[in-house]
Amino acid sequence: NAGVMQNPRHLVRRRGQEARLRCSPMKGHSHVYWYRQLPEEGLKFMVYLQKENIIDESGMPKERFSAEFPKEGPSILRIQQVVRGDSAAYFCASSPTSYEQYFGPGTRLTVT
Amino acid sequence: QKEVEQNSGPLSVPEGAIASLNCTYSDRGSQSFFWYRQYSGKSPELIMSIYSNGDKEDGRFTAQLNKASQYVSLLIRDSQPSDSATYLCAVNLNSGNTPLVFGKGTRLSVIA
Repeated sequence: NAGVMQNPRHLVRRRGQEARLRCSPMKGHSHVYWYRQLPEEGLKFMVYLQKENIIDESGMPKERFSAEFPKEGPSILRIQQVVRGDSAAYFCASSPTSYEQYFGPGTRLTVT
Repeated sequence: QKEVEQNSGPLSVPEGAIASLNCTYSDRGSQSFFWYRQYSGKSPELIMSIYSNGDKEDGRFTAQLNKASQYVSLLIRDSQPSDSATYLCAVNLNSGNTPLVFGKGTRLSVIA
């Protein structure tokens, strides 16, 4: 059973560009969570989705950030007009229920 | 504001010793507790989950939960250099669909 998959693993964007991060949950998992980890900081929750629904987006900035989990295909976290402060590791986790969450390898975003 | 507190460390223990990692949480309604291990530059890996008061053992790892004191700990017996990593404590309300709240982690160094 393949684990949580994320791509790209590394992403470099210039200020003002768009970043698009993808996450495919483990087979059979219908809950997807996105977290952000800044250097020397803890993991911070951003958004929780199930298929075609955003359940909780309380941790996601109101502007420039959006997330989706369509009926078909991976979950996508989109960051528009990136700024240097967006540079971080973005992790996706999936869960078969609302309990144990399993993390993907992450996407390291660097904004130049 | 839900908070999870951990001593940042580093915690240094000699090889073969017991490493004791501690975590306190602020939300008395919390129901599910997790320990993740994160190697530098890697993603968090779930190593223990605990839901009820008492001890839970899995190999060299023992998780201990005391809800009255809002305290959860992780013991690593016979510590190995390969255990050197940052250990993250995570909590959720388990009230349906809630994300994890993470502590900032404790850095463990096992000295050979």
